[in-house]
Amino acid sequence: NAGVTQTPKFRILKIGQSMTLQCTQDMNHNYMYWYRQDPGMGLKLIYYSVGAGITDKGEVPNGYNISRSTTEDFPLRLELAAPSQTSVYFCASSYSGNQLPGTFGSGTRLTVV
Amino acid sequence: TQLLEQSPQFLSIQEGENLTVYCNSSSVFSSLQWYRQEPGEGPVLLVTVVTGGEVKKLKRLTFQFGDARKDSSLHITAAQPGDTGLYLCAGAANTGTASKLTFGTGTRLQVTL
Repeated sequence: NAGVTQTPKFRILKIGQSMTLQCTQDMNHNYMYWYRQDPGMGLKLIYYSVGAGITDKGEVPNGYNISRSTTEDFPLRLELAAPSQTSVYFCASSYSGNQLPGTFGSGTRLTVV
Repeated sequence: TQLLEQSPQFLSIQEGENLTVYCNSSSVFSSLQWYRQEPGEGPVLLVTVVTGGEVKKLKRLTFQFGDARKDSSLHITAAQPGDTGLYLCAGAANTGTASKLTFGTGTRLQVTL
């Protein structure tokens, strides 16, 4: 199993550009999460999903869009990139019996200039 | 917002020393998890504690959940350079259909020879 795979690993965006952060898992986990990690700030939940077709906002959803059309994929969309979205983004997943994120991807480091 | 405070923020010790890091909150959590994160990687789950007063051991690491489920500690015996990393605690509170994890800001541990 590959676990949770995130692409790209690094990206530089200009203000106002858009991009999609990809996340896929091959463990058949129902629960998936997107977090951002700012220096010295811990991880903050952006969006989460309890299954295909079901998504919900986390602590910091503004500026992001989410979709979950399949169990495996959970892409995060930035429509109009802003410098405040410079961060490291982590996708995570869990099996249904444990609602807490157990497996994290290796992250996407995004810089908006 | 449920806040989790971790202490100390930074800890530099020599190989063989013992250490304890703390995770405190004024909120009650249904469960609490500890992770270790290395540079450029996502957090790796170490342990989940769910019962007040629970103690779990993972080799030289001992985790305890407070009786009131508001705090937790991680004790490392005879630290080794391989223990170096960012230790994160995260508390889960059941909110409807999914738990939302609140992360602490972390304790950065460095173990030197």
